[in-house]
Amino acid sequence: EVQLLESGGGLVQPGGSLRLSCAASGFTFSSYAMSWVRQAPGKGLEWVSAISGSGGSTYHADSVKGRFTISRNNSKNTLYLQMSSLRADDTAVYYCAKGGLTSGWGEGFWGQGTLVTVSS
Amino acid sequence: EIVLTQSPGTLSLSPGERATLSCRASQSVSSDYLAWYQQKPGQAPRVLIYGASSRATGIPDRFSGSGSGTDFTLTITRLEPEDFAVYYCQQYGSSPLTFGGGTKVEIK
Repeated sequence: EVQLLESGGGLVQPGGSLRLSCAASGFTFSSYAMSWVRQAPGKGLEWVSAISGSGGSTYHADSVKGRFTISRNNSKNTLYLQMSSLRADDTAVYYCAKGGLTSGWGEGFWGQGTLVTVSS
Repeated sequence: EIVLTQSPGTLSLSPGERATLSCRASQSVSSDYLAWYQQKPGQAPRVLIYGASSRATGIPDRFSGSGSGTDFTLTITRLEPEDFAVYYCQQYGSSPLTFGGGTKVEIK
């Protein structure tokens, strides 16, 4: 059974940093691209970042470019999102999802989400 | 960036009625890499359709996707009570990946 379990969310002050993790199981993690998608309270879905299976290619939305970094450790079956220079508009539930550029979304594997709140 | 515009914003229908949701892209979606999701409050999105018209595993056949290029449609032939939710389209053919703003299907 495929499982994606996010952790690392919480309350952080503006300008602060946070690292999200997503522990994957039930599939050959290194073979699949992965993404982070966020949803601000009461708003729609926003794709944040994606990474190829090997980790050699990464993609970020313009809204987070230069502040967020996606990475993965295939030996630990874990996806990460390092977030820095956080702003109030980064407040959202962050989901990890199995899918990337041109692939993977049809299987529909998403985590349950972790809430990041940026506030003083 | 491919901008996806969903219409209408809200669709008010009764159970048993047909729902037609539109997703229009600002430029052609590569190889029809377009997906549709259903989301209910407090839940992660659930994929319904991928590749513009392929139904995801376990999705009832009352859900169907069609279209290509810049115009895509999600059709729900007969609304069941559990279908009242928010629906999003997503293109995953070019970076940045993008989602539409959503269509809320509410009970009339």
